[in-house]
Amino acid sequence: GAGVSQSPSNKVTEKGKDVELRCDPISGHTALYWYRQSLGQGLEFLIYFQGNSAPDKSGLPSDRFSAERTGGSVSTLTIQRTQQEDSAVYLCASSLRFGGSFGNTIYFGEGSWLTVV
Amino acid sequence: DQQVKQNSPSLSVQEGRISILNCDYTNSMFDYFLWYKKYPAEGPTFLISISSIKDKNEDGRFTVFLNKSAKHLSLHIVPSQPGDSAVYFCAASGYGGATNKLIFGTGTLLAVQP
Repeated sequence: GAGVSQSPSNKVTEKGKDVELRCDPISGHTALYWYRQSLGQGLEFLIYFQGNSAPDKSGLPSDRFSAERTGGSVSTLTIQRTQQEDSAVYLCASSLRFGGSFGNTIYFGEGSWLTVV
Repeated sequence: DQQVKQNSPSLSVQEGRISILNCDYTNSMFDYFLWYKKYPAEGPTFLISISSIKDKNEDGRFTVFLNKSAKHLSLHIVPSQPGDSAVYFCAASGYGGATNKLIFGTGTLLAVQP
């Protein structure tokens, strides 16, 4: 597609349930990033992928969070046993190569809005 | 520890006047800085960037200034338009270690009054 695509756009789930959020990056982009924005907060880095590998998982808030990327393309962020504090918008982004640098614009999707009730 | 700081959560400006959004950073390893703009219910969109080898970059109504010694950058919008009303995020990245990912500030909500 022309841009970064995320699904679902909105998800309401009960506390304790598992959720999967999907990201389809721009074709040809090797780097993929997950961020989240909680209400009234900035953009919090979660994890990035270089190809299918995730060299830096330090941003994942807890072991309930995991992510994978297959075929150097689609990525899935999984949250197990969701808690109310997981409610946020989860943003996926991609770029041709890793890192912010001249000529390597990082493009964001519109986000997946997660509400845990 | 917040490595990229936007100390003004909001800013209100009259249409046609200058908007100045500020950003401070703490890590001297950052060497590339960006501004993103975000409308409600949309993802952030890239606006303008600057490398640490420059102190100014201009693109139309948008100019970013970088003061490395003060670890400070600012975004100037002249003239401001109502359509500029959005949340503006400052971001920084660098090479190696903890700086090699894009770190965002908390954002400044700009309201341009007609």
